[in-house]
Amino acid sequence: DTGVSQDPRHKITKRGQNVTFRCDPISEHNRLYWYRQTLGQGPEFLTYFQNEAQLEKSRLLSDRFSAERPKGSFSTLEIQRTEQGDSAMYLCASSLGDGSSYEQYFGPGTRLTVT
Amino acid sequence: GNSVTQMEGPVTLSEEAFLTINCTYTATGYPSLFWYVQYPGEGLQLLLKATKADDKGSNKGFEATYRKETTSFHLEKGSVQVSDSAVYFCALKGPGNQFYFGTGTSLTVIP
Repeated sequence: DTGVSQDPRHKITKRGQNVTFRCDPISEHNRLYWYRQTLGQGPEFLTYFQNEAQLEKSRLLSDRFSAERPKGSFSTLEIQRTEQGDSAMYLCASSLGDGSSYEQYFGPGTRLTVT
Repeated sequence: GNSVTQMEGPVTLSEEAFLTINCTYTATGYPSLFWYVQYPGEGLQLLLKATKADDKGSNKGFEATYRKETTSFHLEKGSVQVSDSAVYFCALKGPGNQFYFGTGTSLTVIP
C-alpha cells in the first residue's frame, strides 16, 4: 500500500513564477481531489476528477490555476504567475468512489511559499 | 449553500476525560458527514462517517451521530488518551463531489 504521494513536498518560488505540483493517487482509485489549506483553516476544495475528466471546479479557483489528469492516473496542478496569497499547503486526495463510501485518502501535501 | 461550523479550539483535556467537539452544518439536500483527524506530522485520515440521518459513525472509541433535526454531527469519546492529541476536522459531502471542511479543532491530552 503506497498511499497517495505528492511531489515536491516543499516549493519556494518568487512572485510571478509558475509552479507545478504532481499527485500520484492510490492506483485503483478513480476519483482525485485537490484542496488548498492555509494555516488554521480546513482544506478548501479546488477541483475534482473522475478518471481523466475534470468534473467539478471551485468557483473560488482563479484562472491562474489549472489541473490535469491525463490517462486518469497521476494529476498535476499548475499555478501561473504566483502571488503571495497563493502560499498554502496543497493537498491531493483520492478515493474509490464505490457506492456511498467516498472515503478519501490524503497525501502529505505540497507546501508552497511565494516570496 | 454548504458549510460546516466547528467548535473553536484549542481544547486541552486530562487523560481519561470525556471529549465533545461540536460540529453543525448547513447543506442542500442530504449530505454525508465525516470526521477526519490529522496527527502531528501526518496527513488527514478518515476517522468516521455517517451517510444518512440517525446513523452513528464510530471508530477507535470515537462516536458521532448524524442529527438532521439539529443539523449536527458532534464528535464524542468517553475517555481520551494522550495518543488522541491531534487536529479534528468535521466535513460534509453535498449532492456533487465537493467536500466542505470545518476549520479544525486542536486537541491536546495531558497525562
